[in-house]
Amino acid sequence: DTEVTQTPKHLVMGMTNKKSLKCEQHMGHRAMYWYKQKAKKPPELMFVYSYEKLSINESVPSRFSPECPNSSLLNLHLHALQPEDSALYLCASSLREGGGTDTQYFGPGTRLTVL
Amino acid sequence: AQSVTQPDIHITVSEGASLELRCNYSYGATPYLFWYVQSPGQGLQLLLKYFSGDTLVQGIKGFEAEFKRSQSSFNLRKPSVHWSDAAEYFCAVAKYNNNDMRFGAGTRLTVKP
Repeated sequence: DTEVTQTPKHLVMGMTNKKSLKCEQHMGHRAMYWYKQKAKKPPELMFVYSYEKLSINESVPSRFSPECPNSSLLNLHLHALQPEDSALYLCASSLREGGGTDTQYFGPGTRLTVL
Repeated sequence: AQSVTQPDIHITVSEGASLELRCNYSYGATPYLFWYVQSPGQGLQLLLKYFSGDTLVQGIKGFEAEFKRSQSSFNLRKPSVHWSDAAEYFCAVAKYNNNDMRFGAGTRLTVKP
């Protein structure tokens, strides 16, 4: 099974709200990723977790707070977002970080709208 | 840092016609190259990847790609396009020692009946 699941599928939030995105995989992968994809643009890497530790943070604003509570689960906590943060948020996982040969498997994404 | 250029923003082909999507990469060492497909509102699905060895790579759904080091290219091909191939196609490049993958801007494929 090469499935990455993401919840919710859609999320609408106000600028003062706090919400979380969830990503789960049960493939035994030890690297997990968050990407942001604006309309008609390619995905942009936000964060990489390797063995539950934050490995890469691509200078993402602090209103985005990732968390990896265990090897199967990745969260993205959202607080005080701006309308320009509206996008499709994609989660991915791979067997390990540092293994360039390891395929990243993507989830279907969460469509976020910030009002 | 590695980067990818997809020169064609939008391509339209007739169903049954052949397809070639272009991808050029920039990276000092041997790159790891990927083609992903994304249907509207969906995540990305891996079509194929190249790491080393045979420069002609076979993927899923009848796609293939050829790595040409001299041209820094990794073009995607399909001999006969089906209507269900209409989607956005992304070429991506990663370094050998990490999974910091960079995507091209994408090529949107429209298939005419």
